[in-house]
Amino acid sequence: KNQVEQSPQSLIILEGKNCTLQCNYTVSPFSNLRWYKQDTGRGPVSLTIMTFSENTKSNGRYTATLDADTKQSSLHITASQLSDSASYICVVSGPYNNDMRFGAGTRLTVKP
Amino acid sequence: GAGVSQSPSNKVTEKGKDVELRCDPISGHTALYWYRQSLGQGLEFLIYFQGNSAPDKSGLPSDRFSAERTGGSVSTLTIQRTQQEDSAVYLCASSLATGSYNEQFFGPGTRLTVL
Repeated sequence: KNQVEQSPQSLIILEGKNCTLQCNYTVSPFSNLRWYKQDTGRGPVSLTIMTFSENTKSNGRYTATLDADTKQSSLHITASQLSDSASYICVVSGPYNNDMRFGAGTRLTVKP
Repeated sequence: GAGVSQSPSNKVTEKGKDVELRCDPISGHTALYWYRQSLGQGLEFLIYFQGNSAPDKSGLPSDRFSAERTGGSVSTLTIQRTQQEDSAVYLCASSLATGSYNEQFFGPGTRLTVL
C-alpha cells in the first residue's frame, strides 16, 4: 500500500472556480511535505513545502495546508485558470537523505 | 543552461536492445536523482548521486539498470536488454545538495518505448 494517497484521482472544473486536492500519508517519521505541479510532457515543479510546524503555506493562488497530527494535507487552488490544468503530486519525506514517498497525483482539468 | 536537460526526449527501441539516457543537471548542483514514471503511476525512485558517488542504488529494478555520473555533472542511465515493462518516462532531477528539504529541479524526461 502506498504511503501517500491522493484524492481525487482526477478532477474537472470550470475556469474561475476553486478546488481542493487531498493528500493523506502514513510516512513516519515525518520531515516535510511538498506539492508539485506537473504539466503534460514536463517535469514536476515545486509549489510549496511545509515542515512539521507549519500549518499553511501559500504561493499565489495555491494554498497548502498541513495537519501533521492527522497526517493530512490539502492543496487549494483559487480562481482556477486554464493553465492550472496539470497533475498535482504530493511528496512526503522522512528525515533521511532521499527518504521521499510520492503520491500518484491528481489530474486536474480546467475547462473554459 | 538554465535548467535540467535530458536527452533524448523520446526513444523507441526493440526488446532486448540496450539504451542510454542522458541527464545534464543545473550547474553547481551536487545531487542528482533518477526516477521512473509509468502511465498513471507515481514517481518511482531509481538512484541518486552525491557528487559522483551513488550511496543508494536500492531503487534500481534489476541488474539490467545501471547509472553513472562523471565530473560531478552529466549522468547516464543505462538499461540493458530492455523489456516491454521498462517502457515509461524517465525523469532526472538535481538539487544543490542531498536532503529532502533541498528543492529538486526536474528535467522534461525521456519517454522510453520498448516494442
